[in-house]
Amino acid sequence: QVQLVQSGAEVKKPGASVKVSCKASGYTFSRYAMHWVRQAPGQRLEWMGWITAGNDNTKYAQKFQGRVTITRDTSASTDYMELSSLRSEDTAVYYCARDRPSGSDYDRAFDIWGQGTMVSVSS
Amino acid sequence: QSVLTQPPSVSGAPGQRVTISCTGSSSNLGAGYDVHWYQQLPGTAPKFLMYGNNNRPSGVPDRFSGSKSDTSASLAITGLQAEDEADYYCQSYDSRLGVWVFGGGTKLTVL
Repeated sequence: QVQLVQSGAEVKKPGASVKVSCKASGYTFSRYAMHWVRQAPGQRLEWMGWITAGNDNTKYAQKFQGRVTITRDTSASTDYMELSSLRSEDTAVYYCARDRPSGSDYDRAFDIWGQGTMVSVSS
Repeated sequence: QSVLTQPPSVSGAPGQRVTISCTGSSSNLGAGYDVHWYQQLPGTAPKFLMYGNNNRPSGVPDRFSGSKSDTSASLAITGLQAEDEADYYCQSYDSRLGVWVFGGGTKLTVL
């Protein structure tokens, strides 16, 4: 079946970096874009960025510009999200979510979600 | 504050109908961008519930329906069941911010 399996929980110190992986199965990986969304404890979902299908272009939310990098290894059907210069406010569950293709560049929905990766930032 | 505004909570008895509103602005829902909905059960990842304002992915019961008009959207759930108890999020694109945005979430309690 179609699924996204993410890497395990991480505990990091302020200033460090974290890299979360998202391995896809059950569909043609290269044909779909992938988004990354995070959810701080008790907070709403927050879109961080995405990597497009085919050309692997990336776009990031301005809030994370310069700190986040999303990459793709098509041979491994795996996407990665790396967040640097971590601070306590980055403590959250990080999700990868498959892009549901549409005829519009903007009317994108997220149809398959990974199970989430808890990243805790504490000194 | 969220770009898309949802009520923090709604409740209903089993079998009843509830609606969850999602209020946006001229840079998102009012600009004609679609609204999508997700259901998040406690301790789990969000689940894709509704897309393109009023379309259900396969496997989602027809008890769930969606609508959108100008700067507002709503999700309706009829025949409430205990397993519907979850957080519900609306999502759209915001042209002013240049990102996809979510509502603050609504906790549905089945009494």
